[in-house]
Amino acid sequence: EVQLVESGGGLVQPGGSLRLSCVVSGFTFTSNWMTWVRRAPGKGLEWVANVNKDGSEKHYVDSVKGRFTVSRDNAKNSLYLQMNSLRAEDTAVYYCVRARAMDVWGQGTTVTVSS
Amino acid sequence: DVVMTQSPLSLPVTLGQPASISCRSSQSLVYSDGNTYLSWFQQRPGQSPRRLIYRVSNRDSGVPDRFSGSGSGTDFTLKISRVEAEDVGVYYCMQGTHWPPWTFGQGTKVEIK
Repeated sequence: EVQLVESGGGLVQPGGSLRLSCVVSGFTFTSNWMTWVRRAPGKGLEWVANVNKDGSEKHYVDSVKGRFTVSRDNAKNSLYLQMNSLRAEDTAVYYCVRARAMDVWGQGTTVTVSS
Repeated sequence: DVVMTQSPLSLPVTLGQPASISCRSSQSLVYSDGNTYLSWFQQRPGQSPRRLIYRVSNRDSGVPDRFSGSGSGTDFTLKISRVEAEDVGVYYCMQGTHWPPWTFGQGTKVEIK
């Protein structure tokens, strides 16, 4: 069974940092790009970042460039999102998603940025 | 960036009746390889999103055949032939042709009348 399990969300103050993790199973991790998508309260889905199969190519939505870093550890079947300088508008459920085509989604982890 | 515009944003439907959601892109979604990378996603209340349709009209495994996708160029449609109670949720189109960024429509909320 294909599974993507996120962790690392929580409550953080504006300007703080969090690191999200996603551990995958049930498919060949190294054969897939991996993606982070978020949904803020009352809003729609927003693509955040993705990374290619070997971690050498990364893309970010403009609003997180310079603050977020996506990475992967293929030996651990894991995807990460390091989030720095967090803002209130980063409050959302963050989903780990397989591939650029976004065919399989995790259950999400909630990030709340508030003082 | 490609802007995806969905309509309507709210869609009250009667059980057993058809429903249709439109998605328009600000530029053609035909890629240089000839494919059109337009997908549809469903997010039921309290659940993660799920992909229903990829490359305009291909249903994902396990998706009921009452869901169908169509369209070309800049104009796309998701149809539900007979709405069931489990279809309640928010539906999004997404383009993966002109990236980055990958862009979603605003979402269409489907509810039962």
